[in-house]
Amino acid sequence: GQNIDQPTEMTATEGAIVQINCTYQTSGFNGLFWYQQHAGEAPTFLSYNVLDGLEEKGRFSSFLSRSKGYSYLLLKELQMKDSASYLCASRNSNSGYALNFGKGTSLLVTP
Amino acid sequence: SAVISQKPSRDICQRGTSLTIQCQVDSQVTMMFWYRQQPGQSLTLIATANQGSEATYESGFVIDKFPISRPNLTFSTLTVSNMSPEDSSIYLCSVEEDRGNEQYFGPGTRLTVT
Repeated sequence: GQNIDQPTEMTATEGAIVQINCTYQTSGFNGLFWYQQHAGEAPTFLSYNVLDGLEEKGRFSSFLSRSKGYSYLLLKELQMKDSASYLCASRNSNSGYALNFGKGTSLLVTP
Repeated sequence: SAVISQKPSRDICQRGTSLTIQCQVDSQVTMMFWYRQQPGQSLTLIATANQGSEATYESGFVIDKFPISRPNLTFSTLTVSNMSPEDSSIYLCSVEEDRGNEQYFGPGTRLTVT
């Protein structure tokens, strides 16, 4: 299967921490990607995980558990500009390494 | 990271016409992909356009409707043929750099069919 599940919407307060979860079921799994997309703009690459564990990159971190088919994106010290859609995508070696996207999580950061 | 440009950035087209979208990359990449993002939706893969092979289309997309060219390692085109209002969407190309696993997107082409 190619199901990617993530919450539709989340709200968090400026300065706080938010975790966006993603579960996937995919054969030939070959990596988990997170993208940020502001309204009217193209997706911006945030992170890539292929091995279990946590990858940290500044205020953003991404975690992967292959055995559980689970990933999360952690955003720290939230800023108003972090309000955007966050897309989880799995890569599948059976499909020419293209990405299969979830529907995205719309994050609203409030003052 | 690779820098990707697309032309046109947006267009308004009449039903029944065709539009060719160009994707230019500032470095040589083997793997290139074309996606569609309809209003309020996530991204859907149209086809994989790797240089040196025929484009591979996903279920629901056919070559007659979305012909693709990939003449070299830095350029590709996607044509949306015989357009209908249902083709109104954002079309994005993306690439995976040969030296790594990261995939980057172009800025997209916003197409409106009237």
